[in-house]
Amino acid sequence: GENVEQHPSTLSVQEGDSAVIKCTYSDSASNYFPWYKQELGKRPQLIIDIRSNVGEKKDQRIAVTLNKTAKHFSLHITETQPEDSAVYFCAASIRVSSGGGADGLTFGKGTHLIIQP
Amino acid sequence: GAVVSQHPSRVICKSGTSVKIECRSLDFQATTMFWYRQFPKQSLMLMATSNEGSKATYEQGVEKDKFLINHASLTLSTLTVTSAHPEDSSFYICSALGLGAEAFFGQGTRLTVV
Repeated sequence: GENVEQHPSTLSVQEGDSAVIKCTYSDSASNYFPWYKQELGKRPQLIIDIRSNVGEKKDQRIAVTLNKTAKHFSLHITETQPEDSAVYFCAASIRVSSGGGADGLTFGKGTHLIIQP
Repeated sequence: GAVVSQHPSRVICKSGTSVKIECRSLDFQATTMFWYRQFPKQSLMLMATSNEGSKATYEQGVEKDKFLINHASLTLSTLTVTSAHPEDSSFYICSALGLGAEAFFGQGTRLTVV
C-alpha cells in the first residue's frame, strides 16, 4: 500500500517568513495530493490540492509543488500569519476521473506549524 | 463547499457497550465514504471504505466484526463500535467524496470508553 512520509514534525517560523513542509510518497499510482490544516479537536480543512498532471499550483499565499519522478510534493506558505499556526497534513491517494471510484487518503504524520510573533 | 455532518460530536460509554456514529452528506450524494481514526497528536488512519449498497472494505488490522459499517443510502454511513474497550477511545472522522473527488470531512466524534 501507499506510504507517505512528512517532514518536519514541528516547524517554528517568524511571522512574515515562509514555511515549507515536505512529503514523499511510495505508490507511483497515486495521482491526487491534498494538504489539510487541522486545528485542535476539529476536522481537517482542505487548503490546497494538486493532481499528478500538474507540477505546481498556487492560491494566494499557499502553493504546492509536485515532482512525480522523485515522488515528493511540498507545501509553501509565504508571509506567514499567526492564524496559520496549526497542524498540517499531506496526503496521497488514487482518484479516478470525476464520477469514478477512489481510494481513501493515506496521510503523513503531520507538521505542527508554529508562527512566532 | 459540500457539507458532511457527523453525529454525535462527543460520546462517553461504558466498556462492553456499543456506540453508533452517523455520517451524513447534507447537500450531495456520496457513493463512497471513508472512516478514519485519529489518536491524540497523531495522524488520521484510514479504517475502512464504505460503498453504498455493498460491504465495506477494511484496512489491514481493522477488525470488521468490531467496527461495523453500514452505508444504506447515498447520504448516510454509520460506524458502530461494538463491545467498546478503553483502547477504542479515539477521535473518529468520516469523509465523503464530492463530484470533484475532493474529500469533505465530518466534524469528528470524540469517543471515550470508561
